[in-house]
Amino acid sequence: DAGVIQSPRHEVTEMGQEVTLRCKPISGHDYLFWYRQTMMRGLELLIYFNNNVPIDDSGMPEDRFSAKMPNASFSTLKIQPSEPRDSAVYFCASSPPTGGASGYTFGSGTRLTVV
Amino acid sequence: QKEVEQDPGPLSVPEGAIVSLNCTYSNSAFQYFMWYRQYSRKGPELLMYTYSSGNKEDGRFTAQVDKSSKYISLFIRDSQPSDSATYLCAMRKNSGYSTLTFGKGTMLLVSP
Repeated sequence: DAGVIQSPRHEVTEMGQEVTLRCKPISGHDYLFWYRQTMMRGLELLIYFNNNVPIDDSGMPEDRFSAKMPNASFSTLKIQPSEPRDSAVYFCASSPPTGGASGYTFGSGTRLTVV
Repeated sequence: QKEVEQDPGPLSVPEGAIVSLNCTYSNSAFQYFMWYRQYSRKGPELLMYTYSSGNKEDGRFTAQVDKSSKYISLFIRDSQPSDSATYLCAMRKNSGYSTLTFGKGTMLLVSP
């Protein structure tokens, strides 16, 4: 398996523009997570899905952020309009359904810079 | 008080040193404890996990959990420059499915 695949790796955009981040989880993993990582706040859970259904979106900072998972192999995180304070590394992770000792497998992340 | 506290470092050590990385937590419901390693410009990867209290060893790495003190540790013996990375602790409860709660990570620098 190729692991969790995220695209793009880097994104530079101007304030006010729409940004879409993409993620392909590991096949067979029922859980998908979107995280944001900054030096100040560390890893922040934004939203997670189980079997394509959003379970908890309490970490989504504002209505400017939205996430979808139309099928088991694809998810998007959209920011519209983007602001400089959204600059961070965004990670997608997936996990099998067993919980317990099952860790998350992270993608390589998307480094977002909003100027 | 955050649920999981971790000193951000950086922690600088010479090659061959024994490294101790630590986290404290406040929620006694946590039962599964994990350590992730994150190299620069990469995603975190699972290094080790332990269930409840006790020790677990894997090569040069030892994970230790003290639930009475709400304190977990990761020891690295004979540290190598390739161990230079950020180490994040993570933990979860043992009730149904619960998400992982992460520490902010400790940056480790091992100099040759």
